[in-house]
Amino acid sequence: KQEVTQIPAALSVPEGENLVLNCSFTDSAIYNLQWFRQDPGKGLTSLLLIQSSQREQTSGRLNASLDKSSGRSTLYIAASQPGDSATYLCAVQTGTASKLTFGTGTRLQVTL
Amino acid sequence: GAGVSQSPRYKVAKRGQDVALRCDPISGHVSLFWYQQALGQGPEFLTYFQNEAQLDKSGLPSDRFFAERPEGSVSTLKIQRTQQEDSAVYLCASSGPGGSGTQYFGPGTRLTVL
Repeated sequence: KQEVTQIPAALSVPEGENLVLNCSFTDSAIYNLQWFRQDPGKGLTSLLLIQSSQREQTSGRLNASLDKSSGRSTLYIAASQPGDSATYLCAVQTGTASKLTFGTGTRLQVTL
Repeated sequence: GAGVSQSPRYKVAKRGQDVALRCDPISGHVSLFWYQQALGQGPEFLTYFQNEAQLDKSGLPSDRFFAERPEGSVSTLKIQRTQQEDSAVYLCASSGPGGSGTQYFGPGTRLTVL
């Protein structure tokens, strides 16, 4: 059974810092890995999707890497801003139309 | 529509009541997923539809939970005889045919069972 773990569970950083969120998964037979953002009381917003054949994806200040063989992914956020405060969720998918298995998330707070 | 919509956004039920939660996926999306998110946890898979066919219901926690998508578009998640442990946010997601597999999520329905 696929299990996804995210570390740390919570993180507080001052504005402007670069930071790294970690995600690990137990079964390396994945189709893709996605990073989501969730604001309080809201649904999930997809940030980045990395196919199993890819090593990384970038969008603006966000960079996600994938090491499938070791079962790890990282989300790098550059020059953090208070608007980045949210919960970040990592999820893996084993097929194009299969379910997502989520981690428990990292709650990020960026302070002024 | 522009995105996945869910209704109601909030539902309060007394223990033992039946509830029905609705999901309108993105037009043309053949795949539809339901997830349950307990407070402070990541979403957990409940069930999956491809068009009107329910291909996977392995995540439904009990036979009190039932989902349908009769015409391959709108889906309803029904919970019978609600219990306090059913209190959670219920998220719906849809994805298109082929492509990267990206799932687009609705805002969720927050169910509170008193």
